[in-house]
Amino acid sequence: GESVGLHLPTLSVQEGDNSIINCAYSNSASDYFIWYKQESGKGPQFIIDIRSNMDKRQGQRVTVLLNKTVKHLSLQIAATQPGDSAVYFCVVNDKIIFGKGTRLHILP
Amino acid sequence: DAMVIQNPRYQVTQFGKPVTLSCSQTLNHNVMYWYQQKSSQAPKLLFHYYDKDFNNEADTPDNFQSRRPNTSFCFLDIRSPGLGDAAMYLCATSRERGNNGYTFGSGTRLTVV
Repeated sequence: GESVGLHLPTLSVQEGDNSIINCAYSNSASDYFIWYKQESGKGPQFIIDIRSNMDKRQGQRVTVLLNKTVKHLSLQIAATQPGDSAVYFCVVNDKIIFGKGTRLHILP
Repeated sequence: DAMVIQNPRYQVTQFGKPVTLSCSQTLNHNVMYWYQQKSSQAPKLLFHYYDKDFNNEADTPDNFQSRRPNTSFCFLDIRSPGLGDAAMYLCATSRERGNNGYTFGSGTRLTVV
């Protein structure tokens, strides 16, 4: 079966620094990965996705890295801002299996 | 501009009294999903519709049912809500199953009294 886990439940980052949120997955056949951001009281919001034929994809201030060898996914947020405070979930493949989530806390 | 709309945002129901949550979409997506999210937990998939084809998750209690009368609407029916069913219920859509992004609604927070 599929399992998705995140390495750290809470990440505290100084405003302006870069944030790195990690995610591990177990199914080597997984071929599509998505990062979502969920702010308090709201539904998850799509941030960025990546397919297994890529190892890196960049968006605005965000980068997703995929290491298929070790089944690891990371989300990098550049110049973290207060508005980045949220819970971040990685999601694997077609049946949306959410990882536990990492809460990103921004320090002033 | 809201593309996946959930009503109401907050719902209070009595223990054991049937309740229905609604979701509508303007995206004309084929797939609609219902998730349950309890406090400080990840969303848990209950079931999804691919067009009219209903797909239940193995561990979804029988107390939870769903209806999709047309492409735009999908309902979550809780036949006899218990205190443990208090949660945020999230609706999501995707154009197809598989390698597609998902669009979520804002959720309905259900309180059982």
